[in-house]
Amino acid sequence: GIQVEQSPPDLILQEGANSTLRCNFSDSVNNLQWFHQNPWGQLINLFYIPSGTKQNGRLSATTVATERYSLLYISSSQTTDSGVYFCAVDNFGNEKLTFGTGTRLTIIP
Amino acid sequence: DAGVTQSPTHLIKTRGQQVTLRCSPKSGHDTVSWYQQALGQGPQFIFQYYEEEERQRGNFPDRFSGHQFPNYSSELNVNALLLGDSALYLCASSPDTSYEQYFGPGTRLTVT
Repeated sequence: GIQVEQSPPDLILQEGANSTLRCNFSDSVNNLQWFHQNPWGQLINLFYIPSGTKQNGRLSATTVATERYSLLYISSSQTTDSGVYFCAVDNFGNEKLTFGTGTRLTIIP
Repeated sequence: DAGVTQSPTHLIKTRGQQVTLRCSPKSGHDTVSWYQQALGQGPQFIFQYYEEEERQRGNFPDRFSGHQFPNYSSELNVNALLLGDSALYLCASSPDTSYEQYFGPGTRLTVT
């Protein structure tokens, strides 16, 4: 099956800093989503981005499908950005998501 | 517009028992998928329901079974619980017109 790798596994930043999270995948994809998992376990949709670039406030994402990677950018980090960020892909168009192992982001005041 | 809802929030069961978890999809969504997330790992796909049929299944034993009702809500049943079944169980729904999935808050199952 498709492999999904995320880096870095852990990231500790000062409030106000910028960060870049990376997701590499091993095959072409029909769907790529970025999620933020809060401390209570809820997966919050950030982006649905199988290709191209999107922006939502302080967050933006870029997927380069031909090179099989996606990047999530967080600018001017806030403590509420802390949590685990997951990239998930579906490469058959059957809505079966394969998740990466996540990046744990900690923002220090 | 209510999002995906799941019940119960938390559950404690004993080894060997059976459990049923419930999920109501987001309004307008007809496909429901279930995922298991062990501590410190990413969610793993269990199975997916569409038009009241199991459409595809991940690498989970037959102890895991499910059902989808005519109103698109779904149940996940786990028989003969093992300690290793302790996890967060997540339900996701998606519409017929998009691949984008939306997740519920999860049910945290503890098997003792």
